[in-house]
Amino acid sequence: RKEVEQDPGPFNVPEGATVAFNCTYSNSASQSFFWYRQDCRKEPKLLMSVYSSGNEDGRFTAQLNRASQYISLLIRDSKLSDSATYLCVVHRGDSNYQLIWGAGTKLIIKP
Amino acid sequence: DTEVTQTPKHLVMGMTNKKSLKCEQHMGHRAMYWYKQKAKKPPELMFVYSYEKLSINESVPSRFSPECPNSSLLNLHLHALQPEDSALYLCASSLLGDTQYFGPGTRLTVL
Repeated sequence: RKEVEQDPGPFNVPEGATVAFNCTYSNSASQSFFWYRQDCRKEPKLLMSVYSSGNEDGRFTAQLNRASQYISLLIRDSKLSDSATYLCVVHRGDSNYQLIWGAGTKLIIKP
Repeated sequence: DTEVTQTPKHLVMGMTNKKSLKCEQHMGHRAMYWYKQKAKKPPELMFVYSYEKLSINESVPSRFSPECPNSSLLNLHLHALQPEDSALYLCASSLLGDTQYFGPGTRLTVL
């Protein structure tokens, strides 16, 4: 079993749709969780940190369920510019510096 | 300001060449990282410097040699690379062991 698993994708959705990404992690000791987005041939950029209480930033909502070891990202009213690969990232429980990366889910927004 | 800069943007080198990649941040971050990323894969951690000391080396071949001259700078010295070392090399920094911010990367081609 992979340490961080994401939907394999790609997701092809029409502009304006709502998109949901799911992610599960295996290490119950992990304490910090993130969503990064990465455009083609660019660096990963932090989209959101994910907190137990859930957090929202404009059209983006992230949720964490520690009991189920599950993380989600919801994008509402999707835009063409949301097309990218979305990476679920988890801190290793025994290391402050080492991140465990999901394989990423590619999102393609169609006009 | 969450800016990490990297030079050069692109680098083509032969297998006998010696070259260096440079990374700089002025955010007062005390941890700096080198990652390697191949196409359609998530980043792979190579090295971590914490307070200018090498704290993690993920069994990287000795043809890659990191250096941290001061708290703002991180170098990666390259020597006798192989064509399979061609990849995007990403530098990141974090305040300590928390959210990591990435530079734009150096796209390396080894001929």
